[in-house]
Amino acid sequence: DAGVIQSPRHEVTEMGQEVTLRCKPISGHDYLFWYRQTMMRGLELLIYFNNNVPIDDSGMPEDRFSAKMPNASFSTLKIQPSEPRDSAVYFCASSPAGNQPQHFGDGTRLSIL
Amino acid sequence: AQSVAQPEDQVNVAEGNPLTVKCTYSVSGNPYLFWYVQYPNRGLQFLLKYITGDNLVKGSYGFEAEFNKSQTSFHLKKPSALVSDSALYFCAVRDVSGNTGKLIFGQGTTLQVKP
Repeated sequence: DAGVIQSPRHEVTEMGQEVTLRCKPISGHDYLFWYRQTMMRGLELLIYFNNNVPIDDSGMPEDRFSAKMPNASFSTLKIQPSEPRDSAVYFCASSPAGNQPQHFGDGTRLSIL
Repeated sequence: AQSVAQPEDQVNVAEGNPLTVKCTYSVSGNPYLFWYVQYPNRGLQFLLKYITGDNLVKGSYGFEAEFNKSQTSFHLKKPSALVSDSALYFCAVRDVSGNTGKLIFGQGTTLQVKP
């Protein structure tokens, strides 16, 4: 299996611009997670889906962030408008069940200038 | 509330020596515990898990972890460290409230293995 695929790997953009991060989970995995990692705050869960339905979005920082999962093989995390403090590495992960390990993509390194 | 603590920001060990990366947890009910490793510019990789059964769990790359219920600990161990083991290690516990798939991660411990 190809693993969790994230795109782009790197994104540099100016503040105020819209940013869209993409994720393709492992086929057959029912859970999809979006995380953000920074030096200051460590690894934070932003939102997760079960069978394409958002279950817990309590980690989403504010209304500028939104996530969708239109089908079992694709999810997006959107930031609009972006701000410098959004600079971080964003990870997508998937798992086949709630008590099974999560498989992580290699992340998107986002820099907002 | 569920929580995970990794009391050491960094662990230094010489190559060939045994290593231990510490993790303690707080959960209501039986814990599901995980260890992950992160290499530079990569995502987290699963090492091992404890759900039930033997307290000593064996995982990838020669790592093992010991579940200790009385001490609420799940320390990661390896008998002989390699320089290539140098990485960031995360302990995690599954949030068992509401039967979710959510993991709660510790803050991570950087392991530095010196030749």
